[in-house]
Amino acid sequence: AAGVIQSPRHLIKEKRETATLKCYPIPRHDTVYWYQQGPGQDPQFLISFYEKMQSDKGSIPDRFSAQQFSDYHSELNMSSLELGDSALYFCASSPPGLTTGANVLTFGAGSRLTVL
Amino acid sequence: AQSVTQLGSHVSVSEGALVLLRCNYSSSVPPYLFWYVQYPNQGLQLLLKYTSAATLVKGINDFEAEFKKSETSFHLTKPSAHMSDAAEYFCAVSGRAVQNEKLTFGTGTRLTIIP
Repeated sequence: AAGVIQSPRHLIKEKRETATLKCYPIPRHDTVYWYQQGPGQDPQFLISFYEKMQSDKGSIPDRFSAQQFSDYHSELNMSSLELGDSALYFCASSPPGLTTGANVLTFGAGSRLTVL
Repeated sequence: AQSVTQLGSHVSVSEGALVLLRCNYSSSVPPYLFWYVQYPNQGLQLLLKYTSAATLVKGINDFEAEFKKSETSFHLTKPSAHMSDAAEYFCAVSGRAVQNEKLTFGTGTRLTIIP
């Protein structure tokens, strides 16, 4: 079965640089979520998109922005990178409608960002 | 807002012993509850979910969890631990009011299996 695809898997950047992470959801999933997981931390919700519109916003820094495109893939743009941005960034997707009574998120393998 | 609390950031059990990972939730209405597992350097994999159809939920790899409203708990158990169960386990919660509701995770429990 197709899964959530994230790219790149690993990324190394210098402070103050810019990084872009991409997420390709499971086919026919219409909602994408971004999470940030620092070392030894639980995943923290950043932002989500439903049908290409922002649907919810969490603890996403103003230096970060994201969008969902017409093919439902999403990109997370991070500017003026700081050392503290080093983390594992997860994308997840969920299908349309509450078919099972709960919104089940399927996660990608993550993109590991290291800021030097 | 919903939240979950995982009791014990590290749990060690012997191979073949019972695994018990604790999770308590806080919500004004019964939420949806989930357990995810994360193996080293990998993504989050769904173990099981509670959606109010049954209070005892069976998941993959012989894991199960029981929803207890009176105790606001959703503890994860497995009768006999395998070495391959060593991983980080996250309890998560979402609400019922909004379609496409996000997940909120607990702080995680690292499970170590002693040979």
